[in-house]
Amino acid sequence: DSGVTQTPKHLITATGQRVTLRCSPRSGDLSVYWYQQSLDQGLQFLIQYYNGEERAKGNILERFSAQQFPDLHSELNLSSLELGDSALYFCASSETKNPEYEQYFGPGTRLTVT
Amino acid sequence: QKEVEQDPGPLSVPEGAIVSLNCTYSNSAFQYFMWYRQYSRKGPELLMYTYSSGNKEDGRFTAQVDKSSKYISLFIRDSQPSDSATYLCAMYSSRDDKIIFGKGTRLHILP
Repeated sequence: DSGVTQTPKHLITATGQRVTLRCSPRSGDLSVYWYQQSLDQGLQFLIQYYNGEERAKGNILERFSAQQFPDLHSELNLSSLELGDSALYFCASSETKNPEYEQYFGPGTRLTVT
Repeated sequence: QKEVEQDPGPLSVPEGAIVSLNCTYSNSAFQYFMWYRQYSRKGPELLMYTYSSGNKEDGRFTAQVDKSSKYISLFIRDSQPSDSATYLCAMYSSRDDKIIFGKGTRLHILP
């Protein structure tokens, strides 16, 4: 158990809908990362927050947004969902703002868009 | 050309064999190289971390980085059925502030 929690574990929704994924980092970790994992694209970095501020952006679509709250938990919002958004979404946390150091991954949220 | 290339496998080897997993990359700015292991239905976990070129050993695992060839490897000695997982290479460039993961190699260790 990495200490990172993600809810929900599974989500099934229809195209055009909006969903929110939630992540609680390990105690004491200030950085939260969001990733999307699919069979064809692999693990893709979406966005990083450090101590409440956006620190780095990866391949995140404009339909997607995230935030990190004062208690350091984070939410990833996915809107106008398309079939291609079906994937595993992972949250990871780390102590520092540096992505090269150990990131602790949560169990993931499996999103299915029908 | 993709920034990071990794053979997806699956790679099946008998228990006790030496396993070699590899990634190639194209961006010479990558300085930090990581290997993550991902069991089925779990999140990835960090196995090995190296900076720049050279070797690093940790128990049965050895990570090798050859920056001149843009090639990294992970060797697993005395492989065990519990090593069966997907192994993802990852690379980070502080210049570009970019982290990229390979697609992962599925490894099966046959008892």
